[in-house]
Amino acid sequence: DAKTTQPNSMESNEEEPVHLPCNHSTISGTDYIHWYRQLPSQGPEYVIHGLTSNVNNRMASLAIAEDRKSSTLILHRATLRDAAVYYCILRPWDGGATNKLIFGTGTLLAVQP
Amino acid sequence: NAGVTQTPKFQVLKTGQSMTLQCAQDMNHEYMSWYRQDPGMGLRLIHYSVGAGITDQGEVPNGYNVSRSTTEDFPLRLLSAAPSQTSVYFCASSVLAGGQYEQYFGPGTRLTVT
Repeated sequence: DAKTTQPNSMESNEEEPVHLPCNHSTISGTDYIHWYRQLPSQGPEYVIHGLTSNVNNRMASLAIAEDRKSSTLILHRATLRDAAVYYCILRPWDGGATNKLIFGTGTLLAVQP
Repeated sequence: NAGVTQTPKFQVLKTGQSMTLQCAQDMNHEYMSWYRQDPGMGLRLIHYSVGAGITDQGEVPNGYNVSRSTTEDFPLRLLSAAPSQTSVYFCASSVLAGGQYEQYFGPGTRLTVT
């Protein structure tokens, strides 16, 4: 499985945008980019996923570089509830045969009031 | 919908004891998984199931058994607990959306083996 690299930690101020980077220089053509987050003492929560084009949903936006070697999760207006560990995960498409997610150590996002 | 539920929330076992961690989902998802999370680490896949009657091993299956007799339930069994199995255990169920699976996780079971 291709590897991802994320900063160990980041800080943001409340109500400001947050850009969480992820490098995946060995990504293959069939790898989807997934983001999950884990709030303190909770299970991980799906955030967003994409393949080539930028994606938006109610939680966040995903910006994917043209060469797909990096991506950025964008939280448009951070709140205190967004303080969590954010995981960037590559998931190859295998026709839906399996659903293995390989979690790294992620980025710990702190949000200051 | 309750989503994914796990019981118990906390458990302390002595080495050699057995127990079953329960997981249930009410979303009619075919795909379910068990992960463990150790301090400072990401989640590691233990076992998964693509539907009732079908299970397979993940990255760290040793010491754990699973079965899937219904779509709703996916219990994880520890036959002879060891201190190395002290961890937080998460169950997840998945739905296919946009060509990929989205996973929904339960709240976790915190297990300590002494």
